[in-house]
Amino acid sequence: NAGVTQTPKFRILKIGQSMTLQCAQDMNHNYMYWYRQDPGMGLKLIYYSVGAGITDKGEVPNGYNVSRSTTEDFPLRLELAAPSQTSVYFCASSSSRTGGEKLFFGSGTQLSVL
Amino acid sequence: KNEVEQSPQNLTAQEGEFITINCSYSVGISALHWLQQHPGGGIVSLFMLSSGKKKHGRLIATINIQEKHSSLHITASHPRDSAVYICAGLLSNTGNQFYFGTGTSLTVIP
Repeated sequence: NAGVTQTPKFRILKIGQSMTLQCAQDMNHNYMYWYRQDPGMGLKLIYYSVGAGITDKGEVPNGYNVSRSTTEDFPLRLELAAPSQTSVYFCASSSSRTGGEKLFFGSGTQLSVL
Repeated sequence: KNEVEQSPQNLTAQEGEFITINCSYSVGISALHWLQQHPGGGIVSLFMLSSGKKKHGRLIATINIQEKHSSLHITASHPRDSAVYICAGLLSNTGNQFYFGTGTSLTVIP
């Protein structure tokens, strides 16, 4: 099993550009999440999904969009990138609402918006 | 105020010491996870607790539901334990959203 695969690992964007962060899991998990991690702060939830076709906003959704057309994939779209979106992004998945025995994380994407 | 608070923020220990990291939360909890983040940035899940205690190797995690508190203990600490340890709580009143502590940065000196 590959677990959670997240791409790219690094990206530099100019203000106003757009991009999609890719996330895929091969564990047949219904629950998938996108988080951002800023220095000195806990991970903050951007969006989550409880299954294909079902997504919902988290704590910090502004400036982002998601879709979940399949169980495996949960891409995060940044529209009109702003410096405030400079962060490390993590995709995660789990087998249940409580996270099951483990939460599974991707390796992270370090994004800089200049 | 964070819904999930961790202490200490930073911790330096000598190899072999017993280490305790604390996590407290403000409301009832459905599940609490302990995570480890290495300097390279990857995040690995250590434990999920809803009650009681779990042990894996030199790591022990406990949770006290009434006191709204969880602890992660590392026995016989080793330099390879150096990492950031994060607790994440699925609070009873927050639907599907986990709330994360800000992490405890642990350095174990040989």
